[in-house]
Amino acid sequence: DAGVIQSPRHEVTEMGQEVTLRCKPISGHNSLFWYRQTMMRGLELLIYFNNNVPIDDSGMPEDRFSAKMPNASFSTLKIQPSEPRDSAVYFCASSPLSSSYNEQFFGPGTRLTVL
Amino acid sequence: AQSVTQLDSQVPVFEEAPVELRCNYSSSVSVYLFWYVQYPNQGLQLLLKYLSGSTLVKSINGFEAEFNKSQTSFHLRKPSVHISDTAEYFCAVSDQGAQKLVFGQGTRLTINP
Repeated sequence: DAGVIQSPRHEVTEMGQEVTLRCKPISGHNSLFWYRQTMMRGLELLIYFNNNVPIDDSGMPEDRFSAKMPNASFSTLKIQPSEPRDSAVYFCASSPLSSSYNEQFFGPGTRLTVL
Repeated sequence: AQSVTQLDSQVPVFEEAPVELRCNYSSSVSVYLFWYVQYPNQGLQLLLKYLSGSTLVKSINGFEAEFNKSQTSFHLRKPSVHISDTAEYFCAVSDQGAQKLVFGQGTRLTINP
């Protein structure tokens, strides 16, 4: 079975450019989470969706960040304009909403470098 | 607000030695507790979880963790580590019934031959 798929795996861009990260959750999972991992701040939840609807975006750092989930099999995290401090590994995770506990299945991550 | 503290950022041990990775949490409500493992250049994978019942939970690869409510701890242990256990380990907590996970800072386990 395919796990959570993220693309690209690596992204190098220059400050001020728009960056779009993509995620395909596991089929049948109806909760999707975006995390950011840095050495300084560890693993932070940015936003999560249930049934394509954003439930909690309190972790989104600022207006430069936006996330969408147009359908059950695709989500994007966009940074516009990007800044060097956005450099991090961004993970997408999915879980079945009906589960009694919160096992989240993580993708391999996108390593973003903003120069 | 919930928080998770992993007391050691790095733990070096020799192969076949025992190891304990410490985790303490703070929460005012009943919780679920998790350990996730991250191998190099990969995403996190669930290692084991405590939801209810027996306070000692085990994984298929020899790790175990014990929920101690009075000490608000969920330490991870393995009696004999292998080179393949080299990874970063994250403790996480969620309110029972909640979806959000709060992760600790992680502990990097390094196994020396």
